[in-house]
Amino acid sequence: DAGITQSPRHKVTETGTPVTLRCHQTENHRYMYWYRQDPGHGLRLIHYSYGVKDTDKGEVSDGYSVSRSKTEDFLLTLESATSSQTSVYFCATKPRQGSSTDTQYFGPGTRLTVL
Amino acid sequence: AQTVTQSQPEMSVQEAETVTLSCTYDTSESDYYLFWYKQPPSRQMILVIRQEAYKQQNATENRFSVNFQKAAKSFSLKISDSQLGDAAMYFCAYRSARGGADGLTFGKGTHLIIQP
Repeated sequence: DAGITQSPRHKVTETGTPVTLRCHQTENHRYMYWYRQDPGHGLRLIHYSYGVKDTDKGEVSDGYSVSRSKTEDFLLTLESATSSQTSVYFCATKPRQGSSTDTQYFGPGTRLTVL
Repeated sequence: AQTVTQSQPEMSVQEAETVTLSCTYDTSESDYYLFWYKQPPSRQMILVIRQEAYKQQNATENRFSVNFQKAAKSFSLKISDSQLGDAAMYFCAYRSARGGADGLTFGKGTHLIIQP
């Protein structure tokens, strides 16, 4: 939906290594979000962005950082991956506030395994 | 903080029957949005239906409708004439209308099984 791609789609890494996940959108949506999905927890918000270089923390932000240098890209970085960060990561976007629909559109997800 | 509760981890229904998925939420705000998302085995999150809290009329989208009870903080999803393609995880989600940037708060999901 909304021209959202995530890369990589799958990644296996080792504890202690840095990992960067990329979200790319072609809809010029203002807002972008990173969520993680774990069994028994639904989706939980990690970080979000409300514009270029404007980001804020979500519910489960410890161990993660983000950057948004241009409208279309939102990067999620795990500085030193841990096994507890094994999860499926979803990016989502939303048009500007005041648009006719307050709906978030999701990317296909990235499955990350930390050994 | 807002919380969303889906009390049914799993539901099963016969094809062509009707099923209702439950969702309750806790908030002190009066203006907000509620959503149902579907996640099939492909893992893609698909918006099913959306409700604005200030609208008293229940939202409908073809075979999908909601029963929104604001005072009870209840937001159930009814699927009529269930089809095999409806089999999926269903997530209820909440978002405050206070700020444009706020993320969604999700329930833990209900796994819907469609029996042929």
